[in-house]
Amino acid sequence: DARVTQTPRHKVTEMGQEVTMRCQPILGHNTVFWYRQTMMQGLELLAYFRNRAPLDDSGMPKDRFSAEMPDATLATLKIQPSEPRDSAVYFCASGQGGYSNQPQHFGDGTRLSIL
Amino acid sequence: AQKITQTQPGMFVQEKEAVTLDCTYDTSDQSYGLFWYKQPSSGEMIFLIYQGSYDEQNATEGRYSLNFQKARKSANLVISASQLGDSAMYFCAMREPLNDYKLSFGAGTTVTVRA
Repeated sequence: DARVTQTPRHKVTEMGQEVTMRCQPILGHNTVFWYRQTMMQGLELLAYFRNRAPLDDSGMPKDRFSAEMPDATLATLKIQPSEPRDSAVYFCASGQGGYSNQPQHFGDGTRLSIL
Repeated sequence: AQKITQTQPGMFVQEKEAVTLDCTYDTSDQSYGLFWYKQPSSGEMIFLIYQGSYDEQNATEGRYSLNFQKARKSANLVISASQLGDSAMYFCAMREPLNDYKLSFGAGTTVTVRA
């Protein structure tokens, strides 16, 4: 089965360090989403792309977070500088945009801990 | 306004019994899709089942079925013959054109299956 691949699976780093999370969407999917999951806030949509173009990043703290899609096989989410409140699980998901009947398929997530 | 409401934060079910997880939604779109995802303790998000707003039959996938009541705007998930491996968090979600086909998630319901 095709899968969304996320790296790294786990990341522990100190406050102030740059963190880069990577995602390889399922081949043929034209929409990529970044989510953050915490106990307090649940699942939050941070940003998403369609055909590699950013459509909405209103869920992302702009001063420290950035999301890019340099090519169709790679999406990145960067945090610089990182803060303890960024500790969460970050999910990438991919799917077919423009259809209400297509599920999003999630990667296994990156568990991020900022000390 | 909350688009997806899951009113049961946690449920216990005896092994081999059926369990129903409630989900109500809010949309003014005529065409939309409803999804259920499972998140076990290992953290991954697994797509379980889909129901389209125009589907006349309730969706079924193995032991999962969706009790779709369009007039009530409810899309309850039924898990039959519960197994220990069904212990997880379950999320109801919706895609709709008015929201650019993004997924709106409920807060989730934790299911614990007892032996």
